[in-house]
Amino acid sequence: EAGVTQFPSHSVIEKGQTVTLRCDPISGHDNLYWYRRVMGKEIKFLLHFVKESKQDESGMPNNRFLAERTGGTYSTLKVQPAELEDSGVYFCASSQVAGTSYEQYFGPGTRLTVT
Amino acid sequence: AQSVTQLDSQVPVFEEAPVELRCNYSSSVSVYLFWYVQYPNQGLQLLLKYLSGSTLVKGINGFEAEFNKSQTSFHLRKPSVHISDTAEYFCAVSENNQGGKLIFGQGTELSVKP
Repeated sequence: EAGVTQFPSHSVIEKGQTVTLRCDPISGHDNLYWYRRVMGKEIKFLLHFVKESKQDESGMPNNRFLAERTGGTYSTLKVQPAELEDSGVYFCASSQVAGTSYEQYFGPGTRLTVT
Repeated sequence: AQSVTQLDSQVPVFEEAPVELRCNYSSSVSVYLFWYVQYPNQGLQLLLKYLSGSTLVKGINGFEAEFNKSQTSFHLRKPSVHISDTAEYFCAVSENNQGGKLIFGQGTELSVKP
């Protein structure tokens, strides 16, 4: 069974440009989470989808970030326009059932560098 | 607000020595506790979790952790480490009824030397 995949693995863009990150969760996992780790800091929650609906987006930093989950399958996270402070590693995770009892499976992350 | 503190950013240790990675949390409600490991160029992998019951939790690769409610700690231990345990370790908590979102500590880089 394929794990959580993320694309691209690395992205280098200039300030003001747009970048779209993609996450493909494990098949059949209704719950999808985005997290971000800025260099030197802790991994922080961004948002949580249940199928195609946003369950919790309390961690989204500002309106330059837009997350979607088409048809409850893969998800995209768009940053527009990108700023220097958006640099970091963006992780995606999925779980079969929401809640603390169920393990979240993480992807390898996308390393975003904004110059 | 809940938070997680990993007291050591880096822990160097010799192969076959014991290791303890410390984690403290703060929360006003009951939490569930997790340790994740990230090997180079890989995603985070769950090592172990505490939900309820016995406070001593055993995980994969010979790791274990003990939940101490009075000290709000969840330290990770291994009696004898291997070179292959070199990785970054993350402690995380989740509050009940919060949809499973994880609050992470800053991470501890474990470096096992021969």
